[in-house]
Amino acid sequence: DAKTTQPPSMDCAEGRAANLPCNHSTISGNEYVYWYRQIHSQGPQYIIHGLKNNETNEMASLIITEDRKSSTLILPHATLRDTAVYYCIVRVAYSGNQFYFGTGTSLTVIP
Amino acid sequence: SAVISQKPSRDICQRGTSLTIQCQVDSQVTMMFWYRQQPGQSLTLIATANQGSEATYESGFVIDKFPISRPNLTFSTLTVSNMSPEDSSIYLCSVEREWGSGYTFGSGTRLTVV
Repeated sequence: DAKTTQPPSMDCAEGRAANLPCNHSTISGNEYVYWYRQIHSQGPQYIIHGLKNNETNEMASLIITEDRKSSTLILPHATLRDTAVYYCIVRVAYSGNQFYFGTGTSLTVIP
Repeated sequence: SAVISQKPSRDICQRGTSLTIQCQVDSQVTMMFWYRQQPGQSLTLIATANQGSEATYESGFVIDKFPISRPNLTFSTLTVSNMSPEDSSIYLCSVEREWGSGYTFGSGTRLTVV
């Protein structure tokens, strides 16, 4: 079962940073936080993941609170192509464990 | 990340019939996962397919309805049997080629049962 809660929807102005929150208050010490997004009619796309340190890649940054009970995905300069449903997932740290998707946040980037 | 080819991309089927969906990966993977996404909903895991053993099904999904084959480390099929309109969904396969690399998903099969 999904162990995360996210707001159902958010808007962001094009060119501004999009900050997507996720609560995972029951996260275990060996669980990672993963972010995926799904653009309409496509398969989910991996964005980023982390354990406890903040992470950054070419797509986004992931900020995890010190107590690890919440995190924020940051898209630094949102574009219209970033309009999608964003899923925050926690998963235990051994290979092959399944991903359980929650309801996600529908992000709309507004021109 | 792995490249997944899934087919068919879409189909319209008569109720009572069966459809087999194929998932081909460009490299060997231990586990493959099948998901269902009903209209307007999130993804729900159907089962985990391991090569050389029976698939492991999630609660609410049974082998008779969703038989899975995993003949080798690069291929799997999911069959949706005795279909009804409630089976109209997008079906997706996914793999994780190596730990921590994240899942890669196929583009999905959009099934409509009439």
